Amino acid sequence: DAGVIQSPRHEVTEMGQEVTLRCKPISGHNSLFWYRQTMMRGLELLIYFNNNVPIDDSGMPEDRFSAKMPNASFSTLKIQPSEPRDSAVYFCASSLAGTGEAFGQGTRLTVV
Amino acid sequence: DAKTTQPPSMDCAEGRAANLPCNHSTISGNEYVYWYRQIHSQGPQYIIHGLKNNETNEMASLIITEDRKSSTLILPHATLRDTAVYYCIVRSQGAQKLVFGQGTRLTINP
Repeated sequence: DAGVIQSPRHEVTEMGQEVTLRCKPISGHNSLFWYRQTMMRGLELLIYFNNNVPIDDSGMPEDRFSAKMPNASFSTLKIQPSEPRDSAVYFCASSLAGTGEAFGQGTRLTVV
Repeated sequence: DAKTTQPPSMDCAEGRAANLPCNHSTISGNEYVYWYRQIHSQGPQYIIHGLKNNETNEMASLIITEDRKSSTLILPHATLRDTAVYYCIVRSQGAQKLVFGQGTRLTINP
């Protein structure tokens, strides 16, 4: 298994632009998570899905952030419009009930 | 979920056992202890978890005290590649949120 696959690995964009981060979870996993990591705040859970349904989005910072999971093998995290304070590493993770989460390699986002 | 306390940093010599402590004095009966680590520039990696019995896998051993108020992650023969930040997380059965603290930055020295 290739593990959780995220794309792109790096993204540099200008303030105000739309950014879309992509994630392919491990086949057979039924939960998917989006995390954000910064030096100041560490690792924070943004949102998670069970069986493609959003369960808890209380960590999503504001309406500029949205996440979708149209099917079991794909999820997106969108920021529109992006701001410099959104610069961070965004991780996607997936799991099967009762197991530990598998994390992707992350997307390093820089908003200038 | 119960809060955990870990030392901010530790050092260990290569080839020796690394013992990483974690305090979770407010843990409740249905809460598990999970350990993850994050090697520089990589995503977090699941290591091991347990409820009350000691656990061992190919990566590490987890020793949980009888009162469950603390635990120790043991890397039996640390290598340079084990240098990472190690997170101890307490999590309810069935809960899916992982709440990461600051962890312990473990440095393995040659």
